[in-house]
Amino acid sequence: NAGVMQNPRHLVRRRGQEARLRCSPMKGHSHVYWYRQLPEEGLKFMVYLQKENIIDESGMPKERFSAEFPKEGPSILRIQQVVRGDSAAYFCASSFATDLTEAFFGQGTRLTVV
Amino acid sequence: KNEVEQSPQNLTAQEGEFITINCSYSVGISALHWLQQHPGGGIVSLFMLSSGKKKHGRLIATINIQEKHSSLHITASHPRDSAVYICAGLGQGNLIFGKGTKLSVKP
Repeated sequence: NAGVMQNPRHLVRRRGQEARLRCSPMKGHSHVYWYRQLPEEGLKFMVYLQKENIIDESGMPKERFSAEFPKEGPSILRIQQVVRGDSAAYFCASSFATDLTEAFFGQGTRLTVV
Repeated sequence: KNEVEQSPQNLTAQEGEFITINCSYSVGISALHWLQQHPGGGIVSLFMLSSGKKKHGRLIATINIQEKHSSLHITASHPRDSAVYICAGLGQGNLIFGKGTKLSVKP
């Protein structure tokens, strides 16, 4: 079991470009959570997805950010028209159960907007 | 509002010292995770606690439900323990994170 895999580990984008961050959950896990860690700040919840469904997106900015978790393939966090303030580390976590009693985190994607 | 507060924010220790990191949380948090994050690295889950105490190697985590307080202890600390330790409360089906405690263990 390879654990939660995120790619890329590092991503550099110019202002206005699109960023796509991928998260493959642990085998058998159908619950995926995305978190953002801004410099010098704690992790903040963004979105919770199950296969083909967005369950809770209360932490997602209303514009430019979207997430999906298709039936096949990884979960994708998409940021359109990136701005400097989007520079952060983005982590995903997966769990088998809905209650997050066991959560496994990925290595994160560090996005730098130049 | 669910909140999680950690202390201290930064901690420097000499190798071999006993270390304690504290976490207080608000009503609505039913369990706590302790996480470890190495510089530039990913996040590793150390413990999940809803009551009592858990031990793994040199790490011990305790939780007091009545006082809404949890502690992470490291015995015989080592430079490789240097990392950011984060407590995260499980509330309303999601994790609320503390800001982390940056631990530096000097040889």
